Amino acid sequence: DGGITQSPKYLFRKEGQNVTLSCEQNLNHDAMYWYRQDPGQGLRLIYYSQIVNDFQKGDIAEGYSVSREKKESFPLTVTSAQKNPTAFYLCASTLGAGVGNEQFFGPGTRLTVL
Amino acid sequence: GQSLEQPSEVTAVEGAIVQINCTYQTSGFYGLSWYQQHDGGAPTFLSYNALDGLEETGRFSSFLSRSDSYGYLLLQELQMKDSASYFCAVRAAGAGTALIFGKGTTLSVSS
Repeated sequence: DGGITQSPKYLFRKEGQNVTLSCEQNLNHDAMYWYRQDPGQGLRLIYYSQIVNDFQKGDIAEGYSVSREKKESFPLTVTSAQKNPTAFYLCASTLGAGVGNEQFFGPGTRLTVL
Repeated sequence: GQSLEQPSEVTAVEGAIVQINCTYQTSGFYGLSWYQQHDGGAPTFLSYNALDGLEETGRFSSFLSRSDSYGYLLLQELQMKDSASYFCAVRAAGAGTALIFGKGTTLSVSS
């Protein structure tokens, strides 16, 4: 089955630690995105990548880093510089650059800083 | 900047019809999308309107008025499983195909 997988589902981090969230898709989609969702809030864009080896900052990129070495993979690292990292992180992908293209979301990773 | 406004909560009973409104401010409008998210789950795509008018997909319909920067999602014959959060979204300016989402409307359907 085609889809997007994220791991782990739950992640606990101590303050000062970097953690990496995995996002893999087998949909052959070109574009991938990372969003952050806080309770009762909408999704906010962290980073996006339209093509392999290229990515751009979104609205709340500070304290995060990404890589896009393969079309299928777009991992997100939450660094110690992110002051309030506890949130629900969602990865998504889109087939191409066409307007209105549906975004497909992974199941999410819930990160908690202890 | 870009922003979307939608009501935070809506309640209804099974079998009823509910309308969730969304007003937006954006540069370079490319259409309005709607997503559904059940508690703790992933958002799923419901509809997309690029042109004015009503798009119907089963029990769900979506409407757009570009001149009013306004759209709505209409849910008919409500079922308990429709209890979820609903987000409107527009394409983020200067961010490729990334989306800007509203804060979401929580729909509670009771029997």
